[in-house]
Amino acid sequence: KAGVTQTPRYLIKTRGQQVTLSCSPISGHRSVSWYQQTPGQGLQFLFEYFSETQRNKGNFPGRFSGRQFSNSRSEMNVSTLELGDSALYLCASSLGPAGADTGELFFGEGSRLTVL
Amino acid sequence: AQKVTQAQTEISVVEKEDVTLDCVYETRDTTYYLFWYKQPPSGELVFLIRRNSFDEQNEISGRYSWNFQKSTSSFNFTITASQVVDSAVYFCALKGRTGNQFYFGTGTSLTVIP
Repeated sequence: KAGVTQTPRYLIKTRGQQVTLSCSPISGHRSVSWYQQTPGQGLQFLFEYFSETQRNKGNFPGRFSGRQFSNSRSEMNVSTLELGDSALYLCASSLGPAGADTGELFFGEGSRLTVL
Repeated sequence: AQKVTQAQTEISVVEKEDVTLDCVYETRDTTYYLFWYKQPPSGELVFLIRRNSFDEQNEISGRYSWNFQKSTSSFNFTITASQVVDSAVYFCALKGRTGNQFYFGTGTSLTVIP
């Protein structure tokens, strides 16, 4: 069974640019969550999608957005990049809808973004 | 508010020693879920265990064991006879009754020295 796949694995951007990251969940998983990991802030929740609907959103500016497609694949976008956006962006999938899902999250290896 | 504290930032042990990673949590939910994840250098967080708030039974899985105590809001993780392959960053996480948002601690970096 294939795991969570994230692309690209590494990317370098400059300030002001925008970036789109992609996540393919485990087959059959309908919930996709995104987390930002930095040395200073640790793992912080960005947002969660289920059935193409954003269920929950963390405390990030509007420059961070996402969406989910009918096949459960998800993308997140960061516009007008800042130096502080340099981080490992982790995608995680799980089976059920928010509130009913008591299971664990399955994580991808992440997309490491460097903003110069 | 939901919060997880892992006070130990870095731990180094010699191979075959036992090591305990501490985790203290805060939540107002009466039903919640606790997790431990391992993050090797590759970056992927690997699920280790889930505990429901209504189940305080300790668990052992091979060299790993977990001690859940609601009275002290702690969910500690012990590795017995540590091995070099155990070197990684370990995260404790909390999920409330509703929603699918996980709250992670800042992680404990474990180095096992051969």
